[in-house]
Amino acid sequence: SQELEQSPQSLIVQEGKNLTINCTSSKTLYGLYWYKQKYGEGLIFLMMLQKGGEEKSHEKITAKLDEKKQQSSLHITASQPSHAGIYLCGAAARGSTLGRLYFGRGTQLTVWP
Amino acid sequence: NAGVTQTPKFQVLKTGQSMTLQCAQDMNHEYMSWYRQDPGMGLRLIHYSVGAGITDQGEVPNGYNVSRSTTEDFPLRLLSAAPSQTSVYFCASSRDRDRTSGNTIYFGEGSWLTVV
Repeated sequence: SQELEQSPQSLIVQEGKNLTINCTSSKTLYGLYWYKQKYGEGLIFLMMLQKGGEEKSHEKITAKLDEKKQQSSLHITASQPSHAGIYLCGAAARGSTLGRLYFGRGTQLTVWP
Repeated sequence: NAGVTQTPKFQVLKTGQSMTLQCAQDMNHEYMSWYRQDPGMGLRLIHYSVGAGITDQGEVPNGYNVSRSTTEDFPLRLLSAAPSQTSVYFCASSRDRDRTSGNTIYFGEGSWLTVV
């Protein structure tokens, strides 16, 4: 099965600081999803990356996909308390259906004012 | 989380009881799935369905049953609840299963289940 390793497991930053979360796959990536989860709530879709070198941004969050390294990174610029939560990456395995995602264990982000 | 509705949100069961977690989507999505989320384990796939009448097992199917009689609904049944099934359950749906279509996978808000 495909494994996704997220790093760091937890991150505590001061408001206004930039941060990066990484997601590394043990196998070739075929579609990489980033979700955000607040405690007690569901998963909120952030971005999906499909092609090597692809980069997408939404507000202050940017995600990149490096297919050669089998890695994706999520970068938050000028973090705010509203960015706090658990960030999860999910990926589809080669030959598998898109809906069969494998997930990393998540990165817990705390942003203090 | 547009369009995927899970019920109940919270449930406490006694060991051995059975129950059904409901999941419904109103987006006419072909693909639906159930995940469980445990501390330190991430999300793991329980069962999935690629269309009405078709279901298959995921990574951790034991102790769970599913059916897909309509496109909209995908209930998850716990046959005889065990403490090991205490978890948060998420239902998800997507338009289809082809990764090249670039479709988004939507998740419900989760169902918190405790088995005592």
